[in-house]
Amino acid sequence: KQEVTQIPAALSVPEGENLVLNCSFTDSAIYNLQWFRQDPGKGLTSLLLIQSSQREQTSGRLNASLDKSSGRSTLYIAASQPGDSATYLCAVRTTNTNAGKSTFGDGTTLTVKP
Amino acid sequence: DGGITQSPKYLFRKEGQNVTLSCEQNLNHDAMYWYRQDPGQGLRLIYYSQIVNDFQKGDIAEGYSVSREKKESFPLTVTSAQKNPTAFYLCASSTQSNTEAFFGQGTRLTVV
Repeated sequence: KQEVTQIPAALSVPEGENLVLNCSFTDSAIYNLQWFRQDPGKGLTSLLLIQSSQREQTSGRLNASLDKSSGRSTLYIAASQPGDSATYLCAVRTTNTNAGKSTFGDGTTLTVKP
Repeated sequence: DGGITQSPKYLFRKEGQNVTLSCEQNLNHDAMYWYRQDPGQGLRLIYYSQIVNDFQKGDIAEGYSVSREKKESFPLTVTSAQKNPTAFYLCASSTQSNTEAFFGQGTRLTVV
């Protein structure tokens, strides 16, 4: 059974700092990994999707990497801003089907202080 | 605008009552999903559907039921058999070829 862990559970940094969020998974036979952002009381917003054949994806100040062999993914946020404050979730899909189930981590809650 | 719409945003239920949460998408996605999120935790899959008139149980289906009569709609009923229904419910969808999942804004259900 796939298990996804995100450490730390919470992170507080000053504005402008670069930071890394971690996601680890136990079964390396994944199809893809997706990073989401969730604001309090809101739904999930997709940030980056990495297919199993890819090593990284970039969007603006965000860069996500994937190392299947070690069961890890990182989300790098450059030059953090107060607006980046949110909970960041990673989700791992382990089957190559349209309805392949995704396993979610519990998230890392990020606070960027002005 | 294309997207997923969940309604209502807040829902209150008395013990012993069934309630139905709505999820509608105009993205022409084949697959739709229902997740439950408890405070400080990740998402757990309740039910999912690959095509119209077909759906499968997820990890925590007990006390829930769904239907998929139309491609755009995937309503979730929380029955009185669900012992701890207070939670945040999220609906998602994805396509056949692109497995990126898109989420609605959620429904917060509270039992009073």
